[in-house]
Amino acid sequence: NAGVTQTPKFQVLKTGQSMTLQCAQDMNHNSMYWYRQDPGMGLRLIYYSASEGTTDKGEVPNGYNVSRLNKREFSLRLESAAPSQTSVYFCASSGNRVNGYTFGSGTRLTVV
Amino acid sequence: GEDVEQSLFLSVREGDSSVINCTYTDSSSTYLYWYKQEPGAGLQLLTYIFSNMDMKQDQRLTVLLNKKDKHLSLRIADTQTGDSAIYFCAEKDNQGGKLIFGQGTELSVKP
Repeated sequence: NAGVTQTPKFQVLKTGQSMTLQCAQDMNHNSMYWYRQDPGMGLRLIYYSASEGTTDKGEVPNGYNVSRLNKREFSLRLESAAPSQTSVYFCASSGNRVNGYTFGSGTRLTVV
Repeated sequence: GEDVEQSLFLSVREGDSSVINCTYTDSSSTYLYWYKQEPGAGLQLLTYIFSNMDMKQDQRLTVLLNKKDKHLSLRIADTQTGDSAIYFCAEKDNQGGKLIFGQGTELSVKP
């Protein structure tokens, strides 16, 4: 099925560990995004990539890095995980100005 | 900067109409969106409205847009238990094309 695929779906990390969240889309979309969702705070943009080869900071970029590997893939890296990064992470992509975003199913990350 | 505000909770009885409200700040937004998030899942686009429209109807869903007051609402007619979810309002940032989301309204439908 066409869409946005995120891996892993669940992850538990210890404070200070690193990990990379993977995201891939097969809709030939130019733009890709990483959001985090926390209770009562909605979705906050971490980083985005308007096109292949470009990345920009969003609202809450501290503690994260991203790589737009090619048009399909956009990864999010936590270099030294902190408990404050416990959240649900969503990747999204967009191509058409009208139709908004297509979201992945999310990665539930717990940092202990 | 842009901001989108929603109330956090709404509870209705099955069969009633639900109205979820949203206010936004960017008067230049060209598109406004409603997304639905079911438990444990990602967000799915429900509907959108172009800024030159006042109303859009799609089966049980009616979107009303008041540009003067920067107010957007989503009405769900004959609300069912399967409509229980979190509903997000979003506006498109015309400077970069990014979506700015509200906090989400958790709709609870009681039988």
